[in-house]
Amino acid sequence: EPEVTQTPSHQVTQMGQEVILRCVPISNHLYFYWYRQILGQKVEFLVSFYNNEISEKSEIFDDQFSVERPDGSNFTLKIRSTKLEDSAMYFCASIGTDKFFGPGTRLTVL
Amino acid sequence: ELKVEQNPLFLSMQEGKNYTIYCNYSTTSDRLYWYRQDPGKSLESLFVLLSNGAVKQEGRLMASLDTKARLSTLHITAAVHDLSATYFCAVAERGADGLTFGKGTHLIIQP
Repeated sequence: EPEVTQTPSHQVTQMGQEVILRCVPISNHLYFYWYRQILGQKVEFLVSFYNNEISEKSEIFDDQFSVERPDGSNFTLKIRSTKLEDSAMYFCASIGTDKFFGPGTRLTVL
Repeated sequence: ELKVEQNPLFLSMQEGKNYTIYCNYSTTSDRLYWYRQDPGKSLESLFVLLSNGAVKQEGRLMASLDTKARLSTLHITAAVHDLSATYFCAVAERGADGLTFGKGTHLIIQP
């Protein structure tokens, strides 16, 4: 069964550094998403992406965040200057008949 | 702003018992999802409910949707330990892409 994959599974970074989280959505899906989940809390929507552009974003998705689909298969989330409060699990998702979530990247900002 | 409320947030129950988790939401929606999350893991899709009166069942879990009441339920029948997990409902506001999640129901099923 096709699945969404994400790399790395865990990223540790220093505050102020840039990070790029990578996702490979399911190949015939057209809509891609990033969500995050701060430890022990609910899942929060960040951004949706369709036809190579952002279709919707939440208040969390400020100028420090950006998304790209650089090569037709990967879908990336960049955080330009990480803050302590960016520490969370970041989930990529893609949608066909259902919304499938990847395994997540645990980001730890020190 | 769409609000999604689940209750209870924490539920401890014994094997063999039945129980229902409730999910209320505040605005018109055209899609409601139920997900399961095990500790440290991703979100596993359980059900997608698209229309009023929709009912879906998989094993011991059954989900329903009442769009007029803005209410979905996840019913657990004859619970078994393997169903212990956190269950989230998530709602897409009509015309929106992103899902708004409830806080989750942490379910513990004791032998």
